Amino acid sequence: GDSVTQMEGPVTLSEEAFLTINCTYTATGYPSLFWYVQYPGEGLQLLLKATKADDKGSNKGFEATYRKETTSFHLEKGSVQVSDSAVYFCALRYSGGSNYKLTFGKGTLLTVNP
Amino acid sequence: DAMVIQNPRYQVTQFGKPVTLSCSQTLNHNVMYWYQQKSSQAPKLLFHYYDKDFNNEADTPDNFQSRRPNTSFCFLDIRSPGLGDAAMYLCATSRDLRPQHFGDGTRLSIL
Repeated sequence: GDSVTQMEGPVTLSEEAFLTINCTYTATGYPSLFWYVQYPGEGLQLLLKATKADDKGSNKGFEATYRKETTSFHLEKGSVQVSDSAVYFCALRYSGGSNYKLTFGKGTLLTVNP
Repeated sequence: DAMVIQNPRYQVTQFGKPVTLSCSQTLNHNVMYWYQQKSSQAPKLLFHYYDKDFNNEADTPDNFQSRRPNTSFCFLDIRSPGLGDAAMYLCATSRDLRPQHFGDGTRLSIL
């Protein structure tokens, strides 16, 4: 079945450090890929998405590129801030048809220290 | 602001005592979802409504049911909660297959 694998956390960085959170997926066909962020005490918020191979999603300084050849969608940010501390979830969903299900990875806790 | 609202934020119930969690939305989205998120795990889809059509995931226990009386509201009913049902329950909405918008969740504890 479909699955999403994220790098194990927690990840602890100093402010202004470079961030990479790895995400790989297993799926048949061509899913859409998402990164969601969950701040403490809140629900999930969509951070960025990509719907086809080689698409780059970006938002708030975060980027991720849909790599079909490596089945990956790694999240990157050039300079993290304390306010980026949160849990980050990678997810996939099939485009089109009537498949509404999001399949999530287990999440990666990021802590950014001043 | 348009949003997805879940009540209550924290719910405590007794083993075997039925409990209902609520979700409302002001986004006028036609699809509503319920996810279960256990500690340090990925959210797992329980079921979703496309308009009034109910769609259950194959591995969702029979103990879990849902009602959607109108576009704005959706309820999650747990008929006989067990200790293993303690989790965060997340409601989400979407317009068709567009990205999902999540509420802040209800954390359910079982005594």
